[in-house]
Amino acid sequence: GAGVSQSPSNKVTEKGKDVELRCDPISGHTALYWYRQRLGQGLEFLIYFQGNSAPDKSGLPSDRFSAERTGESVSTLTIQRTQQEDSAVYLCASSLRTGNRNQPQHFGDGTRLSIL
Amino acid sequence: GESVGLHLPTLSVQEGDNSIINCAYSNSASDYFIWYKQESGKGPQFIIDIRSNMDKRQGQRVTVLLNKTVKHLSLQIAATQPGDSAVYFCAERYSSASKIIFGSGTRLSIRP
Repeated sequence: GAGVSQSPSNKVTEKGKDVELRCDPISGHTALYWYRQRLGQGLEFLIYFQGNSAPDKSGLPSDRFSAERTGESVSTLTIQRTQQEDSAVYLCASSLRTGNRNQPQHFGDGTRLSIL
Repeated sequence: GESVGLHLPTLSVQEGDNSIINCAYSNSASDYFIWYKQESGKGPQFIIDIRSNMDKRQGQRVTVLLNKTVKHLSLQIAATQPGDSAVYFCAERYSSASKIIFGSGTRLSIRP
């Protein structure tokens, strides 16, 4: 009965390193989203997975960013060759799909990424 | 639309007064709208939603109003309490099958 779980909760790494962020959605939720939130700002859409359909990658800011999802379970967001501008909180959300409609998202508490 | 690179506006309200938070959405074809509350260090939490065939919906101390003519959404919080301090985001769904996109947020600050 747990909510969306993200790990790690905090990550500090050096510029140029690769990082991998993990999201465990709520069981049975077919939709999964990744967002980026810079300090004091709104949510920037990154990528959306819906079931077995091709993901909507329209929000990924560069080819250094990629995400995968295994079936309807865990997702990982990978950032290669990190830059200081990648410092932000990365939020994951999942939602049910009822009929053909996406329901409201349930969010994790995010991974706070700091690039030195 | 999507909130990118925007610093959040702040609404300051006296404790006990009513708060009204406004949002302009981007797509006239959007069929579903949601308000979220985000407390410091947490992910956003669902507050209330409304479908495009309605113009008002009430919850516990909260009311959402939808004006499709001007693509405007508002969240009213009655008798604002210190625990209401947070950032509030509106979100829209472009069509029944599509992803949900967040609008710009508003920080609500409560004066004692």
